[in-house]
Amino acid sequence: DTEVTQTPKHLVMGMTNKKSLKCEQHMGHRAMYWYKQKAKKPPELMFVYSYEKLSINESVPSRFSPECPNSSLLNLHLHALQPEDSALYLCASGARNEQFFGPGTRLTVL
Amino acid sequence: GEDVEQSLFLSVREGDSSVINCTYTDSSSTYLYWYKQEPGAGLQLLTYIFSNMDMKQDQRLTVLLNKKDKHLSLRIADTQTGDSAIYFCAEEGSSASKIIFGSGTRLSIRP
Repeated sequence: DTEVTQTPKHLVMGMTNKKSLKCEQHMGHRAMYWYKQKAKKPPELMFVYSYEKLSINESVPSRFSPECPNSSLLNLHLHALQPEDSALYLCASGARNEQFFGPGTRLTVL
Repeated sequence: GEDVEQSLFLSVREGDSSVINCTYTDSSSTYLYWYKQEPGAGLQLLTYIFSNMDMKQDQRLTVLLNKKDKHLSLRIADTQTGDSAIYFCAEEGSSASKIIFGSGTRLSIRP
Protein backbone atom coordinates (compact mmCIF):
# COMPACT_ATOMS: atom_id res chain seq x y z
CA ASP A 1 0.00 0.00 0.00
CA THR A 2 1.74 3.14 -1.20
CA GLU A 3 -0.87 5.79 -0.67
CA VAL A 4 -2.17 8.18 1.94
CA THR A 5 -5.95 8.17 2.32
CA GLN A 6 -8.10 10.94 3.75
CA THR A 7 -11.73 11.06 4.78
CA PRO A 8 -14.06 12.69 4.18
CA LYS A 9 -13.35 14.04 0.72
CA HIS A 10 -15.65 17.02 1.30
CA LEU A 11 -16.99 18.51 4.52
CA VAL A 12 -19.40 21.37 5.11
CA MET A 13 -19.81 22.51 8.70
CA GLY A 14 -21.26 25.36 10.68
CA MET A 15 -19.25 27.48 13.05
CA THR A 16 -20.69 25.70 16.10
CA ASN A 17 -20.10 22.15 14.83
CA LYS A 18 -17.43 19.69 15.92
CA LYS A 19 -16.01 17.46 13.24
CA SER A 20 -12.87 15.42 12.58
CA LEU A 21 -10.69 14.83 9.55
CA LYS A 22 -8.98 11.48 9.25
CA CYS A 23 -5.79 10.37 7.54
CA GLU A 24 -4.27 6.91 7.20
CA GLN A 25 -1.07 5.48 5.77
CA HIS A 26 0.39 1.98 5.76
CA MET A 27 3.84 2.72 4.39
CA GLY A 28 5.50 2.47 7.79
CA HIS A 29 6.34 6.16 7.81
CA ARG A 30 6.95 7.57 11.27
CA ALA A 31 6.30 11.20 10.37
CA MET A 32 2.85 12.54 9.53
CA TYR A 33 1.80 16.05 8.64
CA TRP A 34 -1.22 18.33 8.37
CA TYR A 35 -1.21 21.14 5.83
CA LYS A 36 -3.77 23.80 4.98
CA GLN A 37 -4.03 24.99 1.39
CA LYS A 38 -6.06 28.00 0.28
CA ALA A 39 -7.01 28.41 -3.36
CA LYS A 40 -4.11 29.27 -5.66
CA LYS A 41 -1.63 29.14 -2.78
CA PRO A 42 1.00 26.62 -1.73
CA PRO A 43 0.34 24.30 1.21
CA GLU A 44 1.05 25.77 4.65
CA LEU A 45 2.35 23.43 7.31
CA MET A 46 0.17 23.15 10.41
CA PHE A 47 1.43 20.20 12.46
CA VAL A 48 4.08 17.49 12.33
CA TYR A 49 3.99 14.25 14.27
CA SER A 50 7.15 12.25 14.59
CA TYR A 51 6.95 8.79 16.17
CA GLU A 52 3.40 9.63 17.29
CA LYS A 53 4.52 12.71 19.18
CA LEU A 54 3.71 16.28 18.16
CA SER A 55 7.01 17.78 17.07
CA ILE A 56 5.95 20.92 15.22
CA ASN A 57 2.95 23.18 15.77
CA GLU A 58 3.11 26.17 13.47
CA SER A 59 1.20 28.47 15.83
CA VAL A 60 -2.12 27.02 14.72
CA PRO A 61 -5.24 28.29 16.56
CA SER A 62 -6.56 25.95 19.24
CA ARG A 63 -9.79 25.38 17.32
CA PHE A 64 -7.65 22.88 15.36
CA SER A 65 -6.60 19.94 17.51
CA PRO A 66 -4.42 17.18 16.05
CA GLU A 67 -4.25 13.64 17.34
CA CYS A 68 -2.07 10.69 16.38
CA PRO A 69 -3.66 7.53 17.87
CA ASN A 70 -1.05 5.24 16.31
CA SER A 71 1.68 5.24 13.71
CA SER A 72 -0.78 4.78 10.84
CA LEU A 73 -3.49 7.26 11.78
CA LEU A 74 -3.67 11.00 12.08
CA ASN A 75 -6.76 12.99 12.99
CA LEU A 76 -7.55 16.68 12.97
CA HIS A 77 -10.38 17.68 15.31
CA LEU A 78 -12.24 20.83 14.39
CA HIS A 79 -14.31 22.99 16.71
CA ALA A 80 -15.74 26.49 16.46
CA LEU A 81 -14.16 27.15 13.08
CA GLN A 82 -14.45 30.41 11.18
CA PRO A 83 -15.39 30.89 7.52
CA GLU A 84 -11.78 31.84 6.75
CA ASP A 85 -10.78 28.31 7.79
CA SER A 86 -12.40 27.02 4.60
CA ALA A 87 -9.61 25.38 2.61
CA LEU A 88 -8.19 22.10 1.36
CA TYR A 89 -6.65 20.19 4.27
CA LEU A 90 -3.88 17.89 3.19
CA CYS A 91 -2.32 15.07 5.14
CA ALA A 92 1.13 13.74 4.30
CA SER A 93 3.41 11.04 5.58
CA GLY A 94 7.04 10.53 4.94
CA ALA A 95 10.62 9.90 5.68
CA ARG A 96 13.29 12.56 5.89
CA ASN A 97 13.58 13.38 2.23
CA GLU A 98 10.14 12.50 0.86
CA GLN A 99 6.61 13.42 1.77
CA PHE A 100 3.63 11.65 0.24
CA PHE A 101 0.36 13.55 0.20
CA GLY A 102 -3.20 12.39 0.44
CA PRO A 103 -5.92 13.76 -1.83
CA GLY A 104 -7.13 16.20 0.81
CA THR A 105 -10.40 17.11 2.47
CA ARG A 106 -12.11 20.16 1.05
CA LEU A 107 -13.61 21.95 4.04
CA THR A 108 -16.26 24.64 3.83
CA VAL A 109 -17.23 26.53 6.99
CA LEU A 110 -20.55 28.34 6.80
CA GLY B 1 15.66 33.04 5.68
CA GLU B 2 13.90 30.41 3.68
CA ASP B 3 12.12 31.47 0.54
CA VAL B 4 11.31 29.78 -2.75
CA GLU B 5 10.21 31.76 -5.80
CA GLN B 6 8.79 30.68 -9.12
CA SER B 7 6.82 32.31 -11.91
CA LEU B 8 3.06 31.92 -11.67
CA PHE B 9 2.14 30.86 -15.21
CA LEU B 10 3.59 28.99 -18.18
CA SER B 11 1.83 28.17 -21.44
CA VAL B 12 3.32 25.73 -23.92
CA ARG B 13 2.19 24.01 -27.08
CA GLU B 14 1.44 20.30 -26.91
CA GLY B 15 4.53 18.33 -27.90
CA ASP B 16 6.97 21.10 -26.98
CA SER B 17 9.21 21.06 -23.92
CA SER B 18 8.16 22.91 -20.79
CA VAL B 19 10.76 24.48 -18.52
CA ILE B 20 9.68 25.63 -15.09
CA ASN B 21 12.18 27.66 -13.13
CA CYS B 22 12.63 28.22 -9.43
CA THR B 23 15.03 30.08 -7.16
CA TYR B 24 15.60 29.32 -3.51
CA THR B 25 17.48 31.03 -0.73
CA ASP B 26 18.65 28.38 1.73
CA SER B 27 21.98 27.09 0.45
CA SER B 28 22.06 24.48 3.21
CA SER B 29 19.02 22.62 1.83
CA THR B 30 19.96 19.01 1.29
CA TYR B 31 17.01 18.15 -0.93
CA LEU B 32 15.03 20.09 -3.50
CA TYR B 33 11.72 18.87 -4.82
CA TRP B 34 9.18 19.19 -7.58
CA TYR B 35 5.56 18.44 -6.77
CA LYS B 36 2.61 18.34 -9.18
CA GLN B 37 -0.94 19.22 -8.19
CA GLU B 38 -3.85 18.56 -10.52
CA PRO B 39 -7.16 20.40 -9.96
CA GLY B 40 -8.93 19.25 -6.82
CA ALA B 41 -6.20 16.78 -5.92
CA GLY B 42 -3.38 16.45 -3.45
CA LEU B 43 0.29 16.94 -4.25
CA GLN B 44 2.23 14.28 -6.09
CA LEU B 45 5.98 14.10 -5.56
CA LEU B 46 7.39 14.09 -9.10
CA THR B 47 11.07 14.02 -8.34
CA TYR B 48 13.70 15.35 -6.01
CA ILE B 49 17.38 16.09 -6.33
CA PHE B 50 20.11 15.84 -3.74
CA SER B 51 22.07 19.05 -3.37
CA ASN B 52 25.37 17.52 -4.46
CA MET B 53 23.93 16.63 -7.86
CA ASP B 54 23.54 19.00 -10.77
CA MET B 55 21.19 16.95 -12.91
CA LYS B 56 18.67 14.18 -12.55
CA GLN B 57 16.69 12.58 -15.37
CA ASP B 58 13.60 10.43 -15.03
CA GLN B 59 11.83 9.56 -18.28
CA ARG B 60 10.39 12.84 -19.62
CA LEU B 61 11.52 14.84 -16.60
CA THR B 62 14.92 16.50 -16.25
CA VAL B 63 15.88 18.45 -13.16
CA LEU B 64 18.80 20.85 -13.32
CA LEU B 65 20.35 22.34 -10.20
CA ASN B 66 22.70 25.32 -10.21
CA LYS B 67 23.78 25.49 -6.62
CA LYS B 68 25.93 28.58 -7.10
CA ASP B 69 22.96 30.58 -8.36
CA LYS B 70 20.43 28.68 -6.17
CA HIS B 71 18.42 27.93 -9.28
CA LEU B 72 16.39 24.80 -9.92
CA SER B 73 14.53 23.93 -13.10
CA LEU B 74 12.18 21.20 -14.24
CA ARG B 75 12.05 20.32 -17.90
CA ILE B 76 9.15 18.24 -19.20
CA ALA B 77 9.84 16.82 -22.65
CA ASP B 78 7.03 16.26 -25.17
CA THR B 79 4.46 18.05 -23.00
CA GLN B 80 1.04 16.42 -23.05
CA THR B 81 -2.42 17.64 -22.01
CA GLY B 82 -2.16 15.43 -18.92
CA ASP B 83 0.76 17.57 -17.77
CA SER B 84 -1.62 20.49 -17.13
CA ALA B 85 -1.30 21.19 -13.42
CA ILE B 86 0.35 23.42 -10.86
CA TYR B 87 3.99 22.59 -10.26
CA PHE B 88 5.49 23.43 -6.89
CA CYS B 89 9.19 23.79 -6.34
CA ALA B 90 10.20 23.12 -2.74
CA GLU B 91 13.28 23.00 -0.57
CA GLU B 92 14.00 21.17 2.62
CA GLY B 93 13.58 23.62 5.48
CA SER B 94 15.87 24.30 8.40
CA SER B 95 14.05 21.58 10.28
CA ALA B 96 14.34 18.28 8.45
CA SER B 97 10.60 17.76 8.91
CA LYS B 98 9.70 20.95 7.05
CA ILE B 99 9.37 21.59 3.35
CA ILE B 100 9.23 25.16 2.06
CA PHE B 101 7.05 25.47 -1.02
CA GLY B 102 7.16 28.03 -3.77
CA SER B 103 3.97 29.69 -4.91
CA GLY B 104 3.47 27.21 -7.72
CA THR B 105 3.59 27.54 -11.52
CA ARG B 106 0.38 26.85 -13.41
CA LEU B 107 1.27 24.99 -16.61
CA SER B 108 -1.31 25.17 -19.37
CA ILE B 109 -1.07 23.29 -22.65
CA ARG B 110 -2.37 24.71 -25.90
CA PRO B 111 -3.12 22.55 -28.95
